[in-house]
Amino acid sequence: GAVVSQHPSWVICKSGTSVKIECRSLDFQATTMFWYRQFPKQSLMLMATSNEGSKATYEQGVEKDKFLINHASLTLSTLTVTSAHPEDSSFYICSARAGDRERSPLHFGNGTRLTVT
Amino acid sequence: AQSVTQPDIHITVSEGASLELRCNYSYGATPYLFWYVQSPGQGLQLLLKYFSGDTLVQGIKGFEAEFKRSQSSFNLRKPSVHWSDAAEYFCAVGAGSYGQNFVFGPGTRLSVLP
Repeated sequence: GAVVSQHPSWVICKSGTSVKIECRSLDFQATTMFWYRQFPKQSLMLMATSNEGSKATYEQGVEKDKFLINHASLTLSTLTVTSAHPEDSSFYICSARAGDRERSPLHFGNGTRLTVT
Repeated sequence: AQSVTQPDIHITVSEGASLELRCNYSYGATPYLFWYVQSPGQGLQLLLKYFSGDTLVQGIKGFEAEFKRSQSSFNLRKPSVHWSDAAEYFCAVGAGSYGQNFVFGPGTRLSVLP
């Protein structure tokens, strides 16, 4: 089946530094990938839609300059948390659609646990 | 815009007992419905999906769900729960040409007693 690999699975960084999270579709091409943030005991909140070869579409309230998204190829999207602060600590999950049709279900990475000290 | 509710925040069942997790949605057209499971610290795994046709859909790990249009529901069921089923379960509705309007419910945490 379709596999989405997310790396790293966990990262600890100091306040003020930047962290890059990678999301790869291993056995399919994904023109669109999605980035979510999940707070403890809460559901996933869509942060942005990553489009291959074009700018990402951010959800209302998500800072574009803080959460940089790059979708350079059909199999890779990256999320960079810039100038991280402790309130950015969270669980970040990416997903990709195996196919361009809206009926194609999303396949999720295993997530990245970010802790900012 | 679509929305999803999962009335039960936390459910506890004994191993071997039956399970039903509730999901209600609001959407103006025919919805695409999904159930995902998330183990602690992990990503989400698709259990099953409904697009059209037979309203009773079978998924992985022995799960099934029934779409009831009249009740705007898509409840997840399993006849006999295993300890490994303890996890967080999310119902979701997909809409939009690229699924950008993919909305998750708040989730139901399932605990299984030995």
